[in-house]
Amino acid sequence: GAGVSQTPSNKVTEKGKYVELRCDPISGHTALYWYRQSLGQGPEFLIYFQGTGAADDSGLPNDRFFAVRPEGSVSTLKIQRTERGDSAVYLCASSNAVGQGFSTDGYTFGSGTRLTVV
Amino acid sequence: AQSVTQPDIHITVSEGASLELRCNYSYGATPYLFWYVQSPGQGLQLLLKYFSGDTLVQGIKGFEAEFKRSQSSFNLRKPSVHWSDAAEYFCAVGEGTGRRALTFGSGTRLQVQP
Repeated sequence: GAGVSQTPSNKVTEKGKYVELRCDPISGHTALYWYRQSLGQGPEFLIYFQGTGAADDSGLPNDRFFAVRPEGSVSTLKIQRTERGDSAVYLCASSNAVGQGFSTDGYTFGSGTRLTVV
Repeated sequence: AQSVTQPDIHITVSEGASLELRCNYSYGATPYLFWYVQSPGQGLQLLLKYFSGDTLVQGIKGFEAEFKRSQSSFNLRKPSVHWSDAAEYFCAVGEGTGRRALTFGSGTRLQVQP
């Protein structure tokens, strides 16, 4: 697609429920990133995919968080047993970078999914 | 670990005035540096980046930034601010060793007065 698409744009869930957030990157971009942005803060890195594999998942806060990208395109961020502290905007980005280093065009971010846990 | 500090949480300028947003980073080697802008309800848009070479970089929307290694700074500037520049601005640093994660500052909210 023309840009990075994230669905849903808003999600309200009850504490303890399971949620899935979807990211559809720019067509042809092999690298995909998930970030989390809490209110009044800058985005924080969660996980990075190169193709189908998670190349760096060091930012995932705990084992309730998991992400997949089975065909190297769309990615799903999964959160189990949601807690009120998980409330944030979840941002996805993609780039055409391969191997080491950053792509020359930086990342392209989606508009995010605002997750509210009540 | 790398870190980014944006000392100004909120800045208000008059339309037509000049602007400088401060960014300081902590990183042992030459970093990759970025400035992003975020309008309400929108994703992050890349304004400009520094990877190497000329330390004064030009970006979109009339913005520029200067990398000063001695001061560990990458301040964003614009000579004449427009009302449409009102938004949140984030400075970010990436490692040069291949790890792709960006570390963002906490942002500076810019308000433009008519």
